[in-house]
Amino acid sequence: AQSVTQPDIHITVSEGASLELRCNYSYGATPYLFWYVQSPGQGLQLLLKYFSGDTLVQGIKGFEAEFKRSQSSFNLRKPSVHWSDAAEYFCAVAGPGTYKYIFGTGTRLKVLA
Amino acid sequence: ETGVTQTPRHLVMGMTNKKSLKCEQHLGHNAMYWYKQSAKKPLELMFVYSLEERVENNSVPSRFSPECPNSSHLFLHLHTLQPEDSALYLCASSQGLADSSYEQYFGPGTRLTVT
Repeated sequence: AQSVTQPDIHITVSEGASLELRCNYSYGATPYLFWYVQSPGQGLQLLLKYFSGDTLVQGIKGFEAEFKRSQSSFNLRKPSVHWSDAAEYFCAVAGPGTYKYIFGTGTRLKVLA
Repeated sequence: ETGVTQTPRHLVMGMTNKKSLKCEQHLGHNAMYWYKQSAKKPLELMFVYSLEERVENNSVPSRFSPECPNSSHLFLHLHTLQPEDSALYLCASSQGLADSSYEQYFGPGTRLTVT
């Protein structure tokens, strides 16, 4: 079955600390992978995406993610978190030839001053 | 206006009311989507339109009725809803449907509460 698992429902980090949000997927074909962020009262904004090529992907707002095929993972990282990064983060998977995204349940990030 | 806009942002309605949600995209895209976002659940794809033609109706109850009069506008007509329909309803658009490499752009959503 196709699915996305974000094992951490909530994560709290101090401002300036590093961050890693986990995402594991199950998908039959070669996946396209996405990370979205949703700030309070807002829609989803695309942070980064992976289709092929270099497995380390750079995104907006200083985020990066690494695709590890052997682990079926696409973890999101940021070296130094800012208070404005507090939001909910969603991982999603899709495939070539389909418009259907499969979303995870999200990880809510809290940033301590 | 830029991107994808949705109105109203908040809506409270009784179970016997009829209301409509509106979505407008200013991106020149050809495909539009309705999603339902409930707490602790993945986003649920409800409807998909491509060039004003519905291509997906994801087992959504008939009390939800979509309408796409043109490629820029999408409506979700609501009637006789249930309390479990309370959720954030998100609209999205993309350049096309051929492939998920066409990024989906989301609106801010309508927070719906059914009383």
